[in-house]
Amino acid sequence: DAGVIQSPRHEVTEMGQEVTLRCKPISGHNSLFWYRQTMMRGLELLIYFNNNVPIDDSGMPEDRFSAKMPNASFSTLKIQPSEPRDSAVYFCASSHTSGSGANVLTFGAGSRLTVL
Amino acid sequence: KNEVEQSPQNLTAQEGEFITINCSYSVGISALHWLQQHPGGGIVSLFMLSSGKKKHGRLIATINIQEKHSSLHITASHPRDSAVYICAVVASGSRLTFGEGTQLTVNP
Repeated sequence: DAGVIQSPRHEVTEMGQEVTLRCKPISGHNSLFWYRQTMMRGLELLIYFNNNVPIDDSGMPEDRFSAKMPNASFSTLKIQPSEPRDSAVYFCASSHTSGSGANVLTFGAGSRLTVL
Repeated sequence: KNEVEQSPQNLTAQEGEFITINCSYSVGISALHWLQQHPGGGIVSLFMLSSGKKKHGRLIATINIQEKHSSLHITASHPRDSAVYICAVVASGSRLTFGEGTQLTVNP
């Protein structure tokens, strides 16, 4: 398995532009997580899905952020309009969650976003 | 006070030394993760624990649920172990709460 695949790896954009980050989880994993990492705040959970359904989006900063998971093999995190304070590394991770609890997380390589 | 606290924040060791990184948490949890983040930024999950002890190669992780404490040990440390080690707990659902990380530098 190629692991969790994220794209783009790097993105530089101007304030006000729409940004779309993509994630392909590991096949067979039923939980998908979007995290953000900044120097100031460390790693933060933004949202997670279980069986393609958003379970907890309380970490999404504001309405400018939205996430979708249209099927088990694809998720997007969109920021519209982007602002300089959104600059961070965005990680996607997946795991298989069963009735006995979650298994080990597998992280993607991250998408480094810079908003000028 | 953070829900998850790690110590030390920074640790410098000589190659071959035995290393311990500690994690204390203040909430009831269903599981605890130890993560490793290398300078390039990639994050690797090392362990997920809900009780007892796990070992993988030179890495050992222990957890004491009653004391709300976990430790990550590295035996015979090597420069390639240099990374940030992050403790994260699962308190509700699958939501992870992260510690601030421990920056480990192992000198040759």
